[in-house]
Amino acid sequence: DTGVSQNPRHKITKRGQNVTFRCDPISEHNRLYWYRQTLGQGPEFLTYFQNEAQLEKSRLLSDRFSAERPKGSFSTLEIQRTEQGDSAMYLCASSLDRDGADTQYFGPGTRLTVL
Amino acid sequence: AQRVTQPEKLLSVFKGAPVELKCNYSYSGSPELFWYVQYSRQRLQLLLRHISRESIKGFTADLNKGETSFHLKKPFAQEEDSAMYYCALSPLGSARQLTFGSGTQLTVLP
Repeated sequence: DTGVSQNPRHKITKRGQNVTFRCDPISEHNRLYWYRQTLGQGPEFLTYFQNEAQLEKSRLLSDRFSAERPKGSFSTLEIQRTEQGDSAMYLCASSLDRDGADTQYFGPGTRLTVL
Repeated sequence: AQRVTQPEKLLSVFKGAPVELKCNYSYSGSPELFWYVQYSRQRLQLLLRHISRESIKGFTADLNKGETSFHLKKPFAQEEDSAMYYCALSPLGSARQLTFGSGTQLTVLP
């Protein structure tokens, strides 16, 4: 297992277009997280799944954002009608719940540029 | 609301010198604090967490609840320590939603 993977690694799109990112977690991990990171800032939490259930969503996650984890394995993050302010690095992380002492393992990220 | 502050965006030290990366937090409950590190062209990875009370790569960090701080320290910096360091917080016993600081870029000079 090579760790958390994310595809694509880079995405350039025009304002108003829809984009979808994929995250494949470490295989036995039941928790999956999405974060967004803009230049000069630390990652900001977007949403979290326990198996296929989306349990927490940040208020940063506007109606244009939707995330799914249909079979409790990979996850997708879709942004509809992209705006220039959506340009950022989107990070995925996964963890295995062990009595609350889980460690989040991060993927390499998908860098989104909205023109 | 929880908040993590890293006051230094950039920090440079010479090899062999002590290094301290500052982290202050605000949180109304009991927090768990973490340090994450990102080396050049690598992904973000956990360096240490206060609950483990362990030293990783010579780094230690002590949670000071009175000063609401979790500073990262190493007595003798090495060139391979050059990286971006992020302090992060989550509710104790629930490492679900991490709140990160803005990071400190550490450069260890030869």
